[in-house]
Amino acid sequence: ILNVEQSPQSLHVQEGDSTNFTCSFPSSNFYALHWYRWETAKSPEALFVMTLNGDEKKKGRISATLNTKEGYSYLYIKGSQPEDSATYLCASWLDRDDKIIFGKGTRLHILP
Amino acid sequence: DSGVTQTPKHLITATGQRVTLRCSPRSGDLSVYWYQQSLDQGLQFLIQYYNGEERAKGNILERFSAQQFPDLHSELNLSSLELGDSALYFCASSVGSSSGLYNEQFFGPGTRLTVL
Repeated sequence: ILNVEQSPQSLHVQEGDSTNFTCSFPSSNFYALHWYRWETAKSPEALFVMTLNGDEKKKGRISATLNTKEGYSYLYIKGSQPEDSATYLCASWLDRDDKIIFGKGTRLHILP
Repeated sequence: DSGVTQTPKHLITATGQRVTLRCSPRSGDLSVYWYQQSLDQGLQFLIQYYNGEERAKGNILERFSAQQFPDLHSELNLSSLELGDSALYFCASSVGSSSGLYNEQFFGPGTRLTVL
């Protein structure tokens, strides 16, 4: 069974602190990984598309790394702000048929 | 605003009925994806269309079907509805190539379907 796992499920972080969370996927079947940010009552918003081992992407205070050999990606948020409160989803393509599998997300709460 | 539109926003119907959900992709995007978000499940990929042709199929039930029209809008048809089909249905679009692997997807606001 091909699965994408995210941890932790939920995270509370003090405003101003930095944080990171993980997306794990089967390393033997990898083509691409996407990160999305999903605010309550809105729709998912694309953050990064990652494709190569060692790929690193950055957008403002948010960055992501990818390790395809060991099957994980980290999402980092530096200096958390209230507007970072959201669910962060990762999605991986685990075969060439473009079957996309989403993790269940990490719910991030920023405490004032 | 992602530029992807979905109608209707909400839909309430009864078991056994058939409904059609509509999606208009961003201008210039050729790929449309449909997803289902149920309470107890994560986001589930249903189906992808690229420039009018079915490109990839996920966990789509036989009672569900989709199509993409020449103007690139897409419709998801759900028939013989069951209580368990109640969910939020998202459509997303992406640019260019037939493969969605390397392109960002832009999500619409979703259609909330309630089956009573």
